[in-house]
Amino acid sequence: NAGVTQTPKFQVLKTGQSMTLQCAQDMNHNSMYWYRQDPGMGLRLIYYSASEGTTDKGEVPNGYNVSRLNKREFSLRLESAAPSQTSVYFCASLRGVMTFFGQGTRLTVV
Amino acid sequence: AQKITQTQPGMFVQEKEAVTLDCTYDTSDQSYGLFWYKQPSSGEMIFLIYQGSYDEQNATEGRYSLNFQKARKSANLVISASQLGDSAMYFCAMREGSDYKLSFGAGTTVTVRA
Repeated sequence: NAGVTQTPKFQVLKTGQSMTLQCAQDMNHNSMYWYRQDPGMGLRLIYYSASEGTTDKGEVPNGYNVSRLNKREFSLRLESAAPSQTSVYFCASLRGVMTFFGQGTRLTVV
Repeated sequence: AQKITQTQPGMFVQEKEAVTLDCTYDTSDQSYGLFWYKQPSSGEMIFLIYQGSYDEQNATEGRYSLNFQKARKSANLVISASQLGDSAMYFCAMREGSDYKLSFGAGTTVTVRA
């Protein structure tokens, strides 16, 4: 999906390190989301932003923070990474019924 | 509480046959939307079909149709004339009311056999 760009695609962190996952969309969507997907499981909502300037917690927000920098960008920050945060992270944007996802970030915390 | 339930972890279907994937949901809102997505083994997420709670007709998109039974709170996906390329994981999701929270079920893996 060229419309939602996530960086990086892969990352290995040591326990306790911090990092920010970047997400940007060029479709002028109001709503943006961060999910994590563990092996063989569904997507669990971490945080979402219904519109620029607002953010809300999802199902699994502990250990994460987000920033909706502007309408295009929604970043996810891990302040002190833990092995339990090893997962694939997806960013998504939504307008009406159309949903677009980034290609995912495979994060490993050792 | 689980908002979206997909009870079938995995299914096998013969090529050219139809398959129904179950999805039940839980909400007290009158206005909500139901989505289905496909995730092939490559990992990307692909939007398939949408049904609004006020839509009177079942949604269809090509070989995909959504069997919406509001009273039973179910939104089953039907894939007709299955193809090998339909082998993937399928997720049901719901957006409730005016809240833009989009929550997913656990998914169903579909394997199409030649």
